[in-house]
Amino acid sequence: EDKVVQSPLSLVVHEGDTVTLNCSYEVTNFRSLLWYKQEKKAPTFLFMLTSSGIEKKSGRLSSILDKKELFSILNITATQTGDSAIYLCAVDNAGNMLTFGGGTRLMVKP
Amino acid sequence: GAVVSQHPSWVICKSGTSVKIECRSLDFQATTMFWYRQFPKQSLMLMATSNEGSKATYEQGVEKDKFLINHASLTLSTLTVTSAHPEDSSFYICSARVGPLAVSNEQFFGPGTRLTVL
Repeated sequence: EDKVVQSPLSLVVHEGDTVTLNCSYEVTNFRSLLWYKQEKKAPTFLFMLTSSGIEKKSGRLSSILDKKELFSILNITATQTGDSAIYLCAVDNAGNMLTFGGGTRLMVKP
Repeated sequence: GAVVSQHPSWVICKSGTSVKIECRSLDFQATTMFWYRQFPKQSLMLMATSNEGSKATYEQGVEKDKFLINHASLTLSTLTVTSAHPEDSSFYICSARVGPLAVSNEQFFGPGTRLTVL
């Protein structure tokens, strides 16, 4: 059975801090790993990672995948209160389904 | 980017009634749509995969007779919660896959439907 585990479950930081969110997975027929940000409604797409070692960046957010060790990290630098959300990691297998991790709830305090 | 809409966004119903939720891809054709359920403070759980013109594939533990899925066209999938009970109260989210499977495997999510069963 495919499994995606995220850590930590919850995180509280102050504005300006840097955070690292972790996602490990066990999936048959791995195709890609995706990161999403969920605020009040449905998740919004952040990154899709398919290759090991290639960092993807978007502003203060970046992510990298390690297919040998089966994990990915999502970094957020200089955090802002608007970064407060649940961050979801999901893995896409060759069956074209997404298996989601439990999410990391991030709260950024002013 | 691709836009997916859901209707209604919020519904309250009495126990025992049926509720239909629509998921539409607005500017693309989606051969595959997915239905997820999310309970408070939990992650998204895949309920079923809906392919246009064929029967939906349900995940283990999801009752296909209770959660009826119809994918009648390339832009519309519906989820009907039959004889809803309070424990069915949840946030239901659909997503649609863009493009041929060999080209893109990205899913775009609808805004979700919050169902409350009294």
